[in-house]
Amino acid sequence: DGGITQSPKYLFRKEGQNVTLSCEQNLNHDAMYWYRQDPGQGLRLIYYSQIVNDFQKGDIAEGYSVSREKKESFPLTVTSAQKNPTAFYLCASSMESSGGSQETQYFGPGTRLLVL
Amino acid sequence: QKEVEQDPGPLSVPEGAIVSLNCTYSNSAFQYFMWYRQYSRKGPELLMYTYSSGNKEDGRFTAQVDKSSKYISLFIRDSQPSDSATYLCAMSGWDTDKLIFGTGTRLQVFP
Repeated sequence: DGGITQSPKYLFRKEGQNVTLSCEQNLNHDAMYWYRQDPGQGLRLIYYSQIVNDFQKGDIAEGYSVSREKKESFPLTVTSAQKNPTAFYLCASSMESSGGSQETQYFGPGTRLLVL
Repeated sequence: QKEVEQDPGPLSVPEGAIVSLNCTYSNSAFQYFMWYRQYSRKGPELLMYTYSSGNKEDGRFTAQVDKSSKYISLFIRDSQPSDSATYLCAMSGWDTDKLIFGTGTRLQVFP
């Protein structure tokens, strides 16, 4: 059963703590993406990766870090430098980079991050 | 001005109504257009994909693209309460390696 999985479903962060959100896909997609969704603001791109061992900053990368050591996995770390981390985080993947191609993005179920 | 504009709603309609959801955009290089449906606290799921101008129909859903007006639409016929969700438009083109999303329109279909 192919798809994108995200864990955990809910995550609580204490002040000053780094937390890592997991994203795994078994679709054999090259490109992976992390978005943040806040009420009334739509999806904002945090980081994306078009190939293993390479990634680029999106529109709101400050306070976040990523790695892409395996094709299937693209974890996102929310660092203590991110002062307003409460949001719904969505991971997505596509066969290739979405621009200039017909490859659409498929999303995971999301992780809701809350600050204690 | 945002690259993609979408009315946030909420749009409230009775069951059986025809629903029209719209997005406008400013970048004339956009040529790939998508509609996603997102239920509350879930990830978006791809509904419709259209390349360049024209119409595409899938069951009760029809996507229209008018590149001359930089305007895209999603029509839902015979709307059902199960269609109640947020609908996001998204688009990309040759000059970007990212999808650009609208903010989403919240639709409520009441019995």
